[in-house]
Amino acid sequence: LPVLTQPPSASALLGASIKLTCTLSSEHSTYTIEWYQQRPGRSPQYIMKVKSDGSHKKGVGVPDRFMGSSSGPDRYLTLSNLQSDDEGEFYCGHSRTIDGQVGYVFGTGTTVTVL
Amino acid sequence: QVQLVESGGGVVQPGGSLRLSCAASGFTFRSHGMHWVRQAPGKGLEWVAFILNDGNNKHYVDSVKGRFTISRDNSKNTLFLHMNSLRADDTALYYCAKDEASTGLSNFDHWGRGTLVTVSS
Repeated sequence: LPVLTQPPSASALLGASIKLTCTLSSEHSTYTIEWYQQRPGRSPQYIMKVKSDGSHKKGVGVPDRFMGSSSGPDRYLTLSNLQSDDEGEFYCGHSRTIDGQVGYVFGTGTTVTVL
Repeated sequence: QVQLVESGGGVVQPGGSLRLSCAASGFTFRSHGMHWVRQAPGKGLEWVAFILNDGNNKHYVDSVKGRFTISRDNSKNTLFLHMNSLRADDTALYYCAKDEASTGLSNFDHWGRGTLVTVSS
């Protein structure tokens, strides 16, 4: 399964924008990934799917200020007009089928702090 | 709306067994794959197991193969995780999650609140 690399932390001012990065291993640079948000003490929530061409499909109820994009092996999640409620952990993840064996792997997560 | 309610967690000694359940409602359960995902205290997310909508295909992370069994009862809208030979590193909050796709593995579009499993002597 591909490895997903995420920086451990990111921060920005209230009302500003922040761009989170999820980097695929080079041999899997064309894969689609998913983004999930986990607020402190809460269950994860699905945000969106981001393809290698930069197109993305959001989950139900995801605000317009959340946008996905791509560049090479990097998949991005940009949060605009940051709100205090955006604080928490953001995970990317990916599924793959190899020789009939299905699996899913998550990145290590990025902790977002709103200053 | 979609609801997933896990139960069955608790404290168990190393080598012991537990059965987790997930009661699903608000969607056509038999039409979606289902997953178990766990999160050790203070750690990230780890996918554990997946079962297709018809229950005939099951997949596991390597660390639980041969010890855990995922199953489902489509007549009762319930997902299960049978855990045997439990180890300390199985200690985690176990989430039940619905797959968005009708076939295959896609993404987890709804999650339960989790049930805590603690393996300790």
